[in-house]
Amino acid sequence: SQQGEEDPQALSIQEGENATMNCSYKTSINNLQWYRQNSGRGLVHLILIRSNEREKHSGRLRVTLDTSKKSSSLLITASRAADTASYFCATDAEGQNFVFGPGTRLSVLP
Amino acid sequence: NAGVMQNPRHLVRRRGQEARLRCSPMKGHSHVYWYRQLPEEGLKFMVYLQKENIIDESGMPKERFSAEFPKEGPSILRIQQVVRGDSAAYFCASSPEVSVFYGYTFGSGTRLTVV
Repeated sequence: SQQGEEDPQALSIQEGENATMNCSYKTSINNLQWYRQNSGRGLVHLILIRSNEREKHSGRLRVTLDTSKKSSSLLITASRAADTASYFCATDAEGQNFVFGPGTRLSVLP
Repeated sequence: NAGVMQNPRHLVRRRGQEARLRCSPMKGHSHVYWYRQLPEEGLKFMVYLQKENIIDESGMPKERFSAEFPKEGPSILRIQQVVRGDSAAYFCASSPEVSVFYGYTFGSGTRLTVV
């Protein structure tokens, strides 16, 4: 797998359900970030989690980081149709730049 | 300054023409990053610049592509003699310091179509 690879590639859920996306990476990191991208738009920064943190919350978002497994998860609780977007994780393993994974395409059905 | 400003939003060029993409970072941000996104794919790093300096261009194709971030004015990504494979969305991001400690702020992108 490449550095920062999301799983699953695509996810469809009903409104109100929780959505969980995972990110795996290969080499040690200092930070990991999650971004959202609506179709045809730029990326919006959601959360940055540092390597010494295990969990972070922001509203309906919960991010976990397990450095021993080199993985992170993004949980969106009580999903809404407006959460429909692509979600990317980005890692800083290559120094001063963040490397993005191919993304998870989330569809929240009304 | 509402954020990172990119222009134009859409750009159509014929094969062989030049494309110039502009990016004005957020006020107070001195670090600029360019990424390219092909349809249904993630972002691929191209180049990282600070004012008047290219810090890392390891993601830039060796030919036809260049970038600058002058002392005054926006950062420019220039693609000479465009080919159809250059069609993509090009995103600029900025950060106040080295980005490993901060998140990026992205612009809305320039969608380049080569016909």
